[in-house]
Amino acid sequence: AQTVTQSQPEMSVQEAETVTLSCTYDTSENNYYLFWYKQPPSRQMILVIRQEAYKQQNATENRFSVNFQKAAKSFSLKISDSQLGDTAMYFCAFMKHRTSYGKLTFGQGTILTVHP
Amino acid sequence: DVKVTQSSRYLVKRTGEKVFLECVQDMDHENMFWYRQDPGLGLRLIYFSYDVKMKEKGDIPEGYSVSREKKERFSLILESASTNQTSMYLCASSLPGGSTEAFFGQGTRLTVV
Repeated sequence: AQTVTQSQPEMSVQEAETVTLSCTYDTSENNYYLFWYKQPPSRQMILVIRQEAYKQQNATENRFSVNFQKAAKSFSLKISDSQLGDTAMYFCAFMKHRTSYGKLTFGQGTILTVHP
Repeated sequence: DVKVTQSSRYLVKRTGEKVFLECVQDMDHENMFWYRQDPGLGLRLIYFSYDVKMKEKGDIPEGYSVSREKKERFSLILESASTNQTSMYLCASSLPGGSTEAFFGQGTRLTVV
């Protein structure tokens, strides 16, 4: 079974600064996918960024980037130029590559607050 | 816009009641899921379905059942609600295949009294 751990229950950052959210996971799989989802106060969960384990290059989406360390089983999210709209709970999630039917295993979540 | 719609945002039920949580998606997705979200535990998978009338248990199926009679609709059933089922319930859907994005509903906050 897979496990995902987010060790930071809460984080805060000043507007325009950079913040990094941590995520570690445990799996015996070699091919898999990793995701960061954002859940703002509206509760609408949306995908922030995804990483395929067989790709060595770290994924980037505008101000969001990841640091994927496969050997260390680490998958951190960096948010640059933080904005007030980034205030949300962030979940790290794992999906097996095959026969998973899209099932996700989530971490505990990190509440991020961006201060003006 | 893709959409996953849950029938209620807030629900209060009494212990022992049979509770139905409904979820509808308009994206023709094969996969549908019910997750439960609790503070400090993240989201945990209750049940999922990869086709009409097909269902499989997730990590915490005890006390729950599901129904998928039509492709677009996936219902979560609490046969006899208990106070430990007070939680946020999230429905999601996705296309088959790896790395596909899951689309979520806005959640139903269920309180069992």
